[in-house]
Amino acid sequence: EAQVTQNPRYLITVTGKKLTVTCSQNMNHEYMSWYRQDPGLGLRQIYYSMNVEVTDKGDVPEGYKVSRKEKRNFPLILESPSPNQTSLYFCASSMSPGLAGSTGELFFGEGSRLTVL
Amino acid sequence: GIQVEQSPPDLILQEGANSTLRCNFSDSVNNLQWFHQNPWGQLINLFYIPSGTKQNGRLSATTVATERYSLLYISSSQTTDSGVYFCAGGDDKIIFGKGTRLHILP
Repeated sequence: EAQVTQNPRYLITVTGKKLTVTCSQNMNHEYMSWYRQDPGLGLRQIYYSMNVEVTDKGDVPEGYKVSRKEKRNFPLILESPSPNQTSLYFCASSMSPGLAGSTGELFFGEGSRLTVL
Repeated sequence: GIQVEQSPPDLILQEGANSTLRCNFSDSVNNLQWFHQNPWGQLINLFYIPSGTKQNGRLSATTVATERYSLLYISSSQTTDSGVYFCAGGDDKIIFGKGTRLHILP
């Protein structure tokens, strides 16, 4: 089954304790992206990756890191989480949105609800 | 950067009613698409529609790329249509609107 898998789905942590949210897709997609969703603000893009070893900042990258060592995986790293990073996080993937002849139809994971105390 | 505006922000309808949701972009966009977020938080891609019209059952969407807007039509709405509808578009940066919250009353 084609899917985007995120882990963990739920996490409560404390300020300053490093954590990683994993994201894996099995559709051989080039493009992967992380979003955070907060009430009244919709989905805001944190980082995206056009392909292996190619990552770039979205609109709200502060406090986050990403890596893309393999095509299928795109982990989100919070080196020193703070309470303002409490949010619902989504990973998404698609074929390359800028490539002629391909579609940028996004497929989302089920979300990871993170609480930072 | 590109701005995405959705209207209306909230909509309450009786079951069986029809509705039209609108998405305006501040500039021309590629990869325009519509999503439904159900009450459990799942984001489902409804339409990938950079231009033209598509239909899927009771839902249809139209994008007029030259005028930078897209419309999502829901006909004969059901309670399972409740949730938040997002439009999004862009190139490498896919930008989302803030959504339309739809509540269908039984």
